[in-house]
Amino acid sequence: SQELEQSPQSLIVQEGKNLTINCTSSKTLYGLYWYKQKYGEGLIFLMMLQKGGEEKSHEKITAKLDEKKQQSSLHITASQPSHAGIYLCGADADMRFGAGTRLTVKP
Amino acid sequence: DGGITQSPKYLFRKEGQNVTLSCEQNLNHDAMYWYRQDPGQGLRLIYYSQIVNDFQKGDIAEGYSVSREKKESFPLTVTSAQKNPTAFYLCASSIPGTGVLPQHFGDGTRLSIL
Repeated sequence: SQELEQSPQSLIVQEGKNLTINCTSSKTLYGLYWYKQKYGEGLIFLMMLQKGGEEKSHEKITAKLDEKKQQSSLHITASQPSHAGIYLCGADADMRFGAGTRLTVKP
Repeated sequence: DGGITQSPKYLFRKEGQNVTLSCEQNLNHDAMYWYRQDPGQGLRLIYYSQIVNDFQKGDIAEGYSVSREKKESFPLTVTSAQKNPTAFYLCASSIPGTGVLPQHFGDGTRLSIL
């Protein structure tokens, strides 16, 4: 089965700073999804990447799929308190999710 | 507005009791899912259904049961056989032909043992 490992597990940044979250797979990535979750709420779908090298953006959030590294990265530019939450990646193969990265943005 | 409605938001179960979590969607999606989320962990798939009157077990189906009699409804029953039911339960649905994982989620039901 496919394992998805997210790093870091938690992240605290100052407002306005850039940050990157990684999702690494033990198998080749075909469909990779990014979600955001506020504590105690459901997941919000951010974007899906399907091909190696593909890059997508959603407001100030950009995600990229590196097929060779079996990894996807999610980059937030000029972070704001509204970006705080848990970011999860998910993969089509085996329908699995990573454990999530908890992001705190300090004003 | 279209969406997924889960109820109740909080639920308490007594020993030996079965409880049912409701999930209703008005998005006209064919596929629906149930996930369990434990603290510090990602989502684990309990059951999913791609069409009415059909459903498949996920990774952790033991102690749970589902039905899919209507397109818009996918209730989850947590049976007394599930010895550790305390968790956050999420229902989801997906747009046909857009991948395997869902794009829409409900706001969840938090289940606790009394």
